[in-house]
Amino acid sequence: SQKIEQNSEALNIQEGKTATLTCNYTNYSPAYLQWYRQDPGRGPVFLLLIRENEKEKRKERLKVTFDTTLKQSLFHITASQPADSATYLCALPRLGGYQKVTFGTGTKLQVIP
Amino acid sequence: DAMVIQNPRYQVTQFGKPVTLSCSQTLNHNVMYWYQQKSSQAPKLLFHYYDKDFNNEADTPDNFQSRRPNTSFCFLDIRSPGLGDAAMYLCATSRDSHYEQYFGPGTRLTVT
Repeated sequence: SQKIEQNSEALNIQEGKTATLTCNYTNYSPAYLQWYRQDPGRGPVFLLLIRENEKEKRKERLKVTFDTTLKQSLFHITASQPADSATYLCALPRLGGYQKVTFGTGTKLQVIP
Repeated sequence: DAMVIQNPRYQVTQFGKPVTLSCSQTLNHNVMYWYQQKSSQAPKLLFHYYDKDFNNEADTPDNFQSRRPNTSFCFLDIRSPGLGDAAMYLCATSRDSHYEQYFGPGTRLTVT
């Protein structure tokens, strides 16, 4: 069955450094992948969508890569700031589910001043 | 601003006492979703509507029901809440298939 893995351990990095988060998936070839940010006690907020024919996508300080051979997406935040501290979720379209996605459990990022 | 609104933000109910959570959207999106999220877990899809078509997840308990009276509103009814139903309930919308989802702020449900 479709499986999504994100590093469940929190990632702590120093302010100004680049944060890199990983989303791995198995048993499946998604047409696209999404990344969301979730703050404590709030709903997720959409950040970026990358399609299978795109190797890389950027938005301001955010960069997402999508390697369909490795079955992996990397999410980078450059020049990280304490305000970037949050949980980051990846989401993939559900196998056979026309309007549905499956979310990973997310990785908690803590940017230390 | 176009948005997804959930009311109430916090809801306390007693074990077995029916409760209704509401969601409204000003985005005019076709698809509306209800998710359940427990601490440190991924949001779990309960059901969704594509326009008026209701789609239930196979593992969603019968205790959970939903209504979408019009494009803008969607309700989650929990007929007999158990302690295990305590969670954050998230409503989301999407323009159509394969588009990003817009989430509301969530309703934190406590069952006493």
